[in-house]
Amino acid sequence: GDSVTQMEGPVTLSEEAFLTINCTYTATGYPSLFWYVQYPGEGLQLLLKATKADDKGSNKGFEATYRKETTSFHLEKGSVQVSDSAVYFCALRSGQAGTALIFGKGTTLSVSS
Amino acid sequence: DAGVIQSPRHEVTEMGQEVTLRCKPISGHDYLFWYRQTMMRGLELLIYFNNNVPIDDSGMPEDRFSAKMPNASFSTLKIQPSEPRDSAVYFCASSRGGTGANNEQFFGPGTRLTVL
Repeated sequence: GDSVTQMEGPVTLSEEAFLTINCTYTATGYPSLFWYVQYPGEGLQLLLKATKADDKGSNKGFEATYRKETTSFHLEKGSVQVSDSAVYFCALRSGQAGTALIFGKGTTLSVSS
Repeated sequence: DAGVIQSPRHEVTEMGQEVTLRCKPISGHDYLFWYRQTMMRGLELLIYFNNNVPIDDSGMPEDRFSAKMPNASFSTLKIQPSEPRDSAVYFCASSRGGTGANNEQFFGPGTRLTVL
């Protein structure tokens, strides 16, 4: 079945460091890909998405490119801030409309000043 | 819009007791999802509804779990009897239908359940 694998954390960085969180997927067809962020004590929020190969999703300085050839959707940010500390989830949804998301295990990011 | 509303936010109960979690989706959304989050298993889909009808309940762990959606604005997830291994954060999410990835799922704040 479909699945998502993301790098295990925690990831600990200093402010203004470069961030990469790796995510790879296994899916039939052409899934849509997502990154969600969960701040402490809150629900998940959509951070960015990409719906087809070579699409780049971006939001709040974060970027991820849908790479079909490597089945990857790595999350990057050029300069992290303390406020970026959160848990990040990579997810996919199959080509069918309205079906549920399949999540990776999540990666905890901790940014210190 | 107030977003997806879940209640209670925290629930502590004793093993064997019945637990009912509640969710109000965003108005106009015709899909509703229940997820469970644990340290060991991460985020797992339990069940989802479309137009109040359960579509896929293959993620419901066992018969102790049941979910209903009596109308478009309300859903419940019930555990009876509860066990300590049910301790987790339960999230409700809703979305509009339609094709493509524009039907974003919006998540509620979650209910943290502790079964003693």
